[in-house]
Amino acid sequence: EVQLVESGGGLVQPGGSLRLSCAASGFTFSDHYMDWVRQAPGKGLEWVGRTRKKANSYTTEYAASVKGRFTISRDDSKNSLYLQMNSLKTEDTAVYYCARVLNEGPFDYWGQGTLVTVSS
Amino acid sequence: DIQMTQSPSSLSASVGDRVTITCRASQGINNYLAWFQQKPGKAPKSLIYAASSLQSGVPPKFSGSGSETDFTLTISSLQPEDSATYYCQQYHSYPITFGQGTRLEIK
Repeated sequence: EVQLVESGGGLVQPGGSLRLSCAASGFTFSDHYMDWVRQAPGKGLEWVGRTRKKANSYTTEYAASVKGRFTISRDDSKNSLYLQMNSLKTEDTAVYYCARVLNEGPFDYWGQGTLVTVSS
Repeated sequence: DIQMTQSPSSLSASVGDRVTITCRASQGINNYLAWFQQKPGKAPKSLIYAASSLQSGVPPKFSGSGSETDFTLTISSLQPEDSATYYCQQYHSYPITFGQGTRLEIK
């Protein structure tokens, strides 16, 4: 059974940093691109970014709203995906989901999400 | 960026009804279109990809169609558990973008 479990969320002050993790199981993690998506309270879904797999040099893509502040990485040996968030702003407050990418295209599985609150 | 516009923003239907949600892309995206269902307080669930292909385990009461700029999600034989917000998403080009969502209420 495919499982994605996010962790690392919490309360952080504006300008601070936080690192989210997504632990994957039930599939060959290294074979898949992986994405982060977020959802501000009461709002819609916003794509954050993507990491490709080793065969694609682990290259990444980011939304303009987070580029230069957020970094996506992965550790295939630990079946884990990460989101390093720096220079956090109040508008980064959201539930953050990791999602598995199917055949380098659409998502198929999502994690349950972890809440990040940026507030003083 | 490709803008995704869903209509209606919300709708109400009865048990047993069939409903259709529309998603329009601001430019052609071939068939790189997915649909998701999200219930309150839960993670999104993937329903459809490539405009019309059902994700594994999704019942055939959900169906999708369309190409390039105009797409539809149809849900037949509505049940109370279909009450949710539905999102479309394009994955044709970066940044990946979502529609604003359609809230479906079952009367």
